[in-house]
Amino acid sequence: DIQMTQSPSSLSASVGDRVTITCQASQDITDYLNWYQQKPGNAPRLLIYDTSILQTGVPSRFSGSGSGTHFTFTIATLQPEDVATYYCQQYDNLPLTFGGGTKVEIK
Amino acid sequence: QVQLVESGGGVVQPGRSLRLSCAASGFTFVSYAMHWVRQAPGKGLEWVAVVSSDGLNKSYADSVKGRFAISRDNSKSTLSLQMNSLRPEDTSIYYCARGFGIDARGWFDPWGQGTLVTVSS
Repeated sequence: DIQMTQSPSSLSASVGDRVTITCQASQDITDYLNWYQQKPGNAPRLLIYDTSILQTGVPSRFSGSGSGTHFTFTIATLQPEDVATYYCQQYDNLPLTFGGGTKVEIK
Repeated sequence: QVQLVESGGGVVQPGRSLRLSCAASGFTFVSYAMHWVRQAPGKGLEWVAVVSSDGLNKSYADSVKGRFAISRDNSKSTLSLQMNSLRPEDTSIYYCARGFGIDARGWFDPWGQGTLVTVSS
């Protein structure tokens, strides 16, 4: 199975800050990497697929990059409504696997 | 709009069975692979199973293989998960999700609201 390692597991930042989350795959997954946002008490929501493609309706302050085994998710200017846990997910191989999540809070 | 609504969750004793359902609406159900993903209380996300758009191809996580069975009824736009020999570690919120991508592999969009399964004596 492909292991996905996310870091940090949690972070606290101020409104307007730039926030970066990394996701490392245990083997090359080309660009088969997706990102989800899960707000407390809600189901996850797709934000980015294929490493960098923003899902329709997702604010442009969210972005993704990377390839191979190292990927990055960025919130350009953190907003209060971005408080959530973010997960990466690979689909290079079954079983589909997720990172452990990064909890983002406002300082 | 695209909607997925799960049902069938509840409290069940270890070793017993439970069947979850997911009613889909707002899109052409027969055109998409469908997945189950679960989340233990306070924990991360774990992919459980996928069924192809025609229902013929199915894959499972090792943790549920041989105990869970995914199926679909395209005439009713319904996805199901038959869960047998349940264990306490199966306690989770179970989400159904529409699949995009390459056959069984891809991303999930959207997700249902989830249904809670609690396995406890």
